[in-house]
Amino acid sequence: GQQLNQSPQSMFIQEGEDVSMNCTSSSIFNTWLWYKQDPGEGPVLLIALYKAGELTSNGRLTAQFGITRKDSFLNISASIPSDVGIYFCVVTSGSRLTFGEGTQLTVNP
Amino acid sequence: NAGVTQTPKFRILKIGQSMTLQCTQDMNHNYMYWYRQDPGMGLKLIYYSVGAGITDKGEVPNGYNVSRSTTEDFPLRLELAAPSQTSVYFCASSYGRVVNTEAFFGQGTRLTVV
Repeated sequence: GQQLNQSPQSMFIQEGEDVSMNCTSSSIFNTWLWYKQDPGEGPVLLIALYKAGELTSNGRLTAQFGITRKDSFLNISASIPSDVGIYFCVVTSGSRLTFGEGTQLTVNP
Repeated sequence: NAGVTQTPKFRILKIGQSMTLQCTQDMNHNYMYWYRQDPGMGLKLIYYSVGAGITDKGEVPNGYNVSRSTTEDFPLRLELAAPSQTSVYFCASSYGRVVNTEAFFGQGTRLTVV
């Protein structure tokens, strides 16, 4: 099946720091998504990317769709305690979402 | 709107028992999905449905069954529970294909098989 390589697996940062995480694949995809999962909750969509090279922001979050269509990254600026959670890169194929293994983010106040 | 509602939130099953995980959505979405999430892993698709009366297998369907008799409900059935089915189960729904519409997830059902 399709495999997404997401890194890093975990990050421990101080409040106020910037965060960067990325996701790569051996296959080409036309849509890249970033979801966040708060502790004890289901994933929630943060950003959707539909065009190679596209750079999209949502508040303090910025994501880019790689020009090769095989990768994407997510940046979080000026982190705050509520940024804690698991961030997943996700690709779509027809009716299916394929999730990366996630980046567990911990923010120390 | 309640969105996607899953019941129960927690359940402990003995090996060989059966149970049904309930999922209902009030957004009039056509597409519904069941995922499982093992510790430290991403979500994996079990089954999905593109409308009432239509279901299809996902990546990890073995040991599960589904039905979709109404637009709102998409129950997941475990017939003979096994320890390998210990996981957190998420139901989701979307208006259209996820390639261009957002999927909304429930809060999950944490299942332990002992």
